[in-house]
Amino acid sequence: NAGVTQTPKFRILKIGQSMTLQCTQDMNHNYMYWYRQDPGMGLKLIYYSVGAGITDKGEVPNGYNVSRSTTEDFPLRLELAAPSQTSVYFCASKRDSYEQYFGPGTRLTVT
Amino acid sequence: QKEVEQNSGPLSVPEGAIASLNCTYSDRGSQSFFWYRQYSGKSPELIMSIYSNGDQEDGRFTAQLNKASQYVSLLIRDSQPSDSATYLCAVRGGSQGNLIFGKGTKLSVKP
Repeated sequence: NAGVTQTPKFRILKIGQSMTLQCTQDMNHNYMYWYRQDPGMGLKLIYYSVGAGITDKGEVPNGYNVSRSTTEDFPLRLELAAPSQTSVYFCASKRDSYEQYFGPGTRLTVT
Repeated sequence: QKEVEQNSGPLSVPEGAIASLNCTYSDRGSQSFFWYRQYSGKSPELIMSIYSNGDQEDGRFTAQLNKASQYVSLLIRDSQPSDSATYLCAVRGGSQGNLIFGKGTKLSVKP
């Protein structure tokens, strides 16, 4: 199993551009999460999903959108990128009450 | 707003010593607590889970929980330079399994 994979690893965006961060898991996990981590800070929840077709907002959803059309994939969409979205983005997944597994992260810079 | 507080450090200990990391949380109803280790530039990795008052041991790691004081700690015995990392305390924040993270404590183990 590859676990949780994220692409791209790094990206530089100009202000106002859009992009999609990809997240895929091959563990048949029902729960999936997107977090962002700013320097020297803990992780903050952006969006989560409890299964295909079901998504909900976390603590910091503004400026982002998600979809969950399959169990495996949970892409995060940034519209109109802003410097405040410069961060490291982690995708995670889990099954029911078990631990969360994190992907390797995407480091995004908006200039 | 549920919060998790950690001393950001850095905490410096000599090789072979016991490292003690502490965490407090605001929601008295919290039931599940986690310690993640994060090496620089990497994703968080779960090292300990604890759900009931008392101690939970796994090798050189011991997690301690005191719900009355809303306090969680992590002890690392016989600290090694490879333990140098940021340690994130996390509390399960809701029924959907999302985690609320502290800002992390940076640990440095000196040879």
